Amino acid sequence: EAGVAQSPRYKIIEKRQSVAFWCNPISGHATLYWYQQILGQGPKLLIQFQNNGVVDDSQLPKDRFSAERLKGVDSTLKIQPAKLEDSAVYLCASSSGTSGWEQETQYFGPGTRLLVL
Amino acid sequence: AQSVAQPEDQVNVAEGNPLTVKCTYSVSGNPYLFWYVQYPNRGLQFLLKYITGDNLVKGSYGFEAEFNKSQTSFHLKKPSALVSDSALYFCAVRANAGNNRKLIWGLGTSLGVNP
Repeated sequence: EAGVAQSPRYKIIEKRQSVAFWCNPISGHATLYWYQQILGQGPKLLIQFQNNGVVDDSQLPKDRFSAERLKGVDSTLKIQPAKLEDSAVYLCASSSGTSGWEQETQYFGPGTRLLVL
Repeated sequence: AQSVAQPEDQVNVAEGNPLTVKCTYSVSGNPYLFWYVQYPNRGLQFLLKYITGDNLVKGSYGFEAEFNKSQTSFHLKKPSALVSDSALYFCAVRANAGNNRKLIWGLGTSLGVNP
């Protein structure tokens, strides 16, 4: 079974530029998460999708961050414009979403390491 | 408010010795508890979880954890450490009821196993 795929793996941009990250979850997984992990910290949930609907985006900085999962499969996270403090690893995770998402194991992709200069 | 604490930033053990990585939590009601491991430049990998039932949970790579409700703890253990266990370990907790069911993550504990 293929794991969660993310691209790109690394990205360097200047502040005020825009950037997009892509995630393809494990096949058949209904629940998809985007996390931000700053060096030395645990992951912080940005947004959770159930199929193509948003379950939780309370910690997403909506003035600059946006995410979509139009067909309920892959997802894109965008930052526009980027700030220095957005430098972090952006992790995508998925879970099956079939039997109570709260109990389910989340499977993570390798992450995208973003550096904003 | 929900929270999770990993009181040790760094744990060092000798190869072959038992290891413990500590985790304590605070949630309203009963918790769902998770342990993940992160190797350098890689994503998080699931180790084990407690949902309900037996307090001793066995997981991947020989790791286990014991849910202790009275002490609100979920410490990760392994009887005999390997050098390859050196990594960053994260504990996470989620309430199983109520309006706030967000998964809360600890800051991580760096485990070093010396040959």
